[in-house]
Amino acid sequence: EAEVAQSPRYKITEKSQAVAFWCDPISGHATLYWYRQILGQGPELLVQFQDESVVDDSQLPKDRFSAERLKGVDSTLKIQPAELGDSAMYLCASSLGPGRLDEQFFGPGTRLTVL
Amino acid sequence: AQSVTQLGSHVSVSEGALVLLRCNYSSSVPPYLFWYVQYPNQGLQLLLKYTTGATLVKGINGFEAEFKKSETSFHLTKPSAHMSDAAEYFCAVIPYNNNDMRFGAGTRLTVKP
Repeated sequence: EAEVAQSPRYKITEKSQAVAFWCDPISGHATLYWYRQILGQGPELLVQFQDESVVDDSQLPKDRFSAERLKGVDSTLKIQPAELGDSAMYLCASSLGPGRLDEQFFGPGTRLTVL
Repeated sequence: AQSVTQLGSHVSVSEGALVLLRCNYSSSVPPYLFWYVQYPNQGLQLLLKYTTGATLVKGINGFEAEFKKSETSFHLTKPSAHMSDAAEYFCAVIPYNNNDMRFGAGTRLTVKP
């Protein structure tokens, strides 16, 4: 069964360091999402891609976060420099299209701890 | 802005008992509604969704939810809890006027033997 892959699964870093997370969506899925899930809260959308283009990054803290999906397939989310408040689960999801009824399939997430 | 409220951050039931997880949304125009389950150290899995049509929606693993417009609710139920149902459950909405999925804070379900 096709799945969304994410790596690493766990990342511990010190504040002010740079971190990067990778996501490989389900093959053929044009839409890719990055969410941040703080402990005890629901996921919040950081950025949405349609193919290689950013559709929505209104909630992405652009002073320190960046995301790219250069070839419209896999994607990388980067944080530089990391801050203590960035400790969270970072979830990637993909869907066939951007439509409201296109089911989002989630990866297992990357749990980031910033010390 | 559209918001989702899940009443009760923790719910504990005995095995075999009814499961009821509550979700209310704030919108005069009904959004699309979803329930997701998240097992420890895993991503979210879709349980069920309501878009239009029949207000009682059946999902996977024996779960169902009923959309009640008058109550702006979309509560999740299961007649008989199994130990394997222990997980975090998230209600989510996609507002009628955009495509952003917004999640509630989640309800952790514990099932006691």
